[in-house]
Amino acid sequence: AQSVTQPDIHITVSEGASLELRCNYSYGATPYLFWYVQSPGQGLQLLLKYFSGDTLVQGIKGFEAEFKRSQSSFNLRKPSVHWSDAAEYFCAVGRGSQGNLIFGKGTKLSVKP
Amino acid sequence: DGGITQSPKYLFRKEGQNVTLSCEQNLNHDAMYWYRQDPGQGLRLIYYSQIVNDFQKGDIAEGYSVSREKKESFPLTVTSAQKNPTAFYLCASSHRAGDSNQPQHFGDGTRLSIL
Repeated sequence: AQSVTQPDIHITVSEGASLELRCNYSYGATPYLFWYVQSPGQGLQLLLKYFSGDTLVQGIKGFEAEFKRSQSSFNLRKPSVHWSDAAEYFCAVGRGSQGNLIFGKGTKLSVKP
Repeated sequence: DGGITQSPKYLFRKEGQNVTLSCEQNLNHDAMYWYRQDPGQGLRLIYYSQIVNDFQKGDIAEGYSVSREKKESFPLTVTSAQKNPTAFYLCASSHRAGDSNQPQHFGDGTRLSIL
């Protein structure tokens, strides 16, 4: 069965520092992978998605993610974090013919001034 | 602007009462979804619909019911059988049904609490 693991529940980084959020997936075939961001009390916004092709995908707000099949990972990165990036981040994998997504439990990002 | 509208933003339920959460989309999307979000649990799928007049149970459907009479609307009823309904409920839609490479668009959620 498909699953998504986000090992870090909460991460704190200083403003201007680099960021990497980890995501590991379990899926038999080539996965469709997504990263979403959620501000408190809001819905989820799509940051980026991976379907095939280049393993490094660019998203909105300066985020990028790298798909590594050998490690079953899809880590999210940003070279310089801004205070407005403080939010919760969810990794997700597409679930076959149902068309819905399986989500990880999320990583909450705090940004220190 | 196209999007998904969920209402109300906050909802309170009394013991033994059914409540209905509204979800409307004007994106002309075929598929719609309901998720439940609890702190530290991520999002769990309650029900989904790939076409009008058809819907399927997700992972945690017990105590919930839905309908899909119109393409734009996918209301969720939390019944009295749902013993722990306090959560944040998110509605989503995607362009094509049955296609897991479709990104989902989300509403801003409804927070349900027990009185």
